[in-house]
Amino acid sequence: DAKTTQPPSMDCAEGRAANLPCNHSTISGNEYVYWYRQIHSQGPQYIIHGLKNNETNEMASLIITEDRKSSTLILPHATLRDTAVYYCIVRVGADGLTFGKGTHLIIQP
Amino acid sequence: DAMVIQNPRYQVTQFGKPVTLSCSQTLNHNVMYWYQQKSSQAPKLLFHYYDKDFNNEADTPDNFQSRRPNTSFCFLDIRSPGLGDAAMYLCATSRVPGRMSYEQYFGPGTRLTVT
Repeated sequence: DAKTTQPPSMDCAEGRAANLPCNHSTISGNEYVYWYRQIHSQGPQYIIHGLKNNETNEMASLIITEDRKSSTLILPHATLRDTAVYYCIVRVGADGLTFGKGTHLIIQP
Repeated sequence: DAMVIQNPRYQVTQFGKPVTLSCSQTLNHNVMYWYQQKSSQAPKLLFHYYDKDFNNEADTPDNFQSRRPNTSFCFLDIRSPGLGDAAMYLCATSRVPGRMSYEQYFGPGTRLTVT
């Protein structure tokens, strides 16, 4: 079973920040937190990952709590093209990804 | 641009007729993965190659096999497709030196229909 818990769906207004939560209370010390998204009928797309520090790239920011039991993906200025299923995954090394049900984020115009 | 390529994008096969899906990559990544994604479900890992070492998931049916003749190519063989094998098949690659963790890059997928 997936080791993360996410809300099944969320809405966000276009232009606003989208904050997607993820619970990973059983994460082990060497596991990274990864975020991927899948736009309809496309392959999943890597967004960002982190171990314990907050991370930012051109797509998003990742905030990991100090105890590492939860994290939040932030899309700072959501657009209609950000409508997708967002997956939060914990993994280490060369392991394949274990996808949970993810969060279906719908950006409203 | 370096990328993960899957051919064909759409494949139709008959019940019980062997089919091969192909994946190639120009990223020179040492790890290649195959995932199965059924309608309205999340992708599910079937197996992966870490260099030449094959790693099968415990619940992957024997009907599914894979070959990796070189770094760039990886094939998914379905020996006797059943109606339940209709799905999107996703190939992904990753560069994993040692035990560091790196992101996976996915191809666009091959949608398999079984008639």
